[in-house]
Amino acid sequence: DTGVSQNPRHKITKRGQNVTFRCDPISEHNRLYWYRQTLGQGPEFLTYFQNEAQLEKSRLLSDRFSAERPKGSFSTLEIQRTEQGDSAMYLCASSFPSTTNEKLFFGSGTQLSVL
Amino acid sequence: EDQVTQSPEALRLQEGESSSLNCSYTVSGLRGLFWYRQDPGKGPEFLFTLYSAGEEKEKERLKATLTKKESFLHITAPKPEDSATYLCAVHQAGTALIFGKGTTLSVSS
Repeated sequence: DTGVSQNPRHKITKRGQNVTFRCDPISEHNRLYWYRQTLGQGPEFLTYFQNEAQLEKSRLLSDRFSAERPKGSFSTLEIQRTEQGDSAMYLCASSFPSTTNEKLFFGSGTQLSVL
Repeated sequence: EDQVTQSPEALRLQEGESSSLNCSYTVSGLRGLFWYRQDPGKGPEFLFTLYSAGEEKEKERLKATLTKKESFLHITAPKPEDSATYLCAVHQAGTALIFGKGTTLSVSS
């Protein structure tokens, strides 16, 4: 049973550089979510896809952030011109929604440190 | 304004000392309230979903309950391996899950 896979697990970068993270959801799940979590806080919603369509994007999400999900399979999250405030754990989750259950399965996250 | 508030922020218990964690919410049109467990350096792991007031769910030493304004996660006779951060999240129509800040539980032997 393969769960949600995220790569890399850790990323250290210098301010101003671009970074890209990858998420492979559970194969039969058609919804994919990106969340960000900082120390002592709960996960904060960034964006989500249903199949290849990006259906919602947080108003708090900077234009430096972009996400894609080509062919409705894996997803990538890119951060351009990173800032120190971008340092956080980036979590990916997937679900196969029914009308009553939005149960999310999370990956182990990518820890980003911007120096 | 926070839509999901968890208390306390941190809780220290002795092994076997039962207690409860609280999650209060202010969203309308609740479609589900979720409890997750998160270990350090890992993603949240699903525990329970509750849909309507009066509903209860149990798993080992954990029991979750739901009222119209809050949910409780009761921990009976906890063990050190129950130490983790417990996150509450709500699902309302048209939005993704909204999480609280979590309660960090430490159980010492």
